[in-house]
Amino acid sequence: AAGVIQSPRHLIKEKRETATLKCYPIPRHDTVYWYQQGPGQDPQFLISFYEKMQSDKGSIPDRFSAQQFSDYHSELNMSSLELGDSALYFCASSLFGTGGREAFFGQGTRLTVV
Amino acid sequence: ILNVEQSPQSLHVQEGDSTNFTCSFPSSNFYALHWYRWETAKSPEALFVMTLNGDEKKKGRISATLNTKEGYSYLYIKGSQPEDSATYLCASDNYGQNFVFGPGTRLSVLP
Repeated sequence: AAGVIQSPRHLIKEKRETATLKCYPIPRHDTVYWYQQGPGQDPQFLISFYEKMQSDKGSIPDRFSAQQFSDYHSELNMSSLELGDSALYFCASSLFGTGGREAFFGQGTRLTVV
Repeated sequence: ILNVEQSPQSLHVQEGDSTNFTCSFPSSNFYALHWYRWETAKSPEALFVMTLNGDEKKKGRISATLNTKEGYSYLYIKGSQPEDSATYLCASDNYGQNFVFGPGTRLSVLP
């Protein structure tokens, strides 16, 4: 069965550079969630989208932006990268509907800022 | 946006201790409650899905209960082991709403 696909799996960037992380949800899923997990830290909810509109916002820095496209994939754009942005970024998808759903997580993108 | 809360935010227990923590969720239009275990540097693992009031699920030393009338679920870990150290997320599945995650409870089991 198709799962949530995140790309790239690993990314190395220098300080002040820009990075774009992509998340491809499970087919037919219309909701995407982004989480950040720093080394040894609790996962932090960043932002979520439903039907291409932002549905909830967490601790996403102003330097980051995200969007969901017409095919429901989502991209997290990170600018002016800082060393502290080094983390695992997870994406999850689910289906807005009438219950009986489950959220599925991708394998994550490991971003290293040097 | 529905509010799903978890308590405590973090918890430290000794190896061998039993422990529990809480997830509170809106009971209106409730369909299901999900528990996930999220270990550091790994993708979250689905633990349980519960739908009926009074449901109790068990997986090894971990079990969970559900009260849909008052909107809470307990997760219990019996005889905690260091490998149980993780963040435990719950998520509420309500009709007509997006799937909503709680903020998580971080469990640290000290050897």
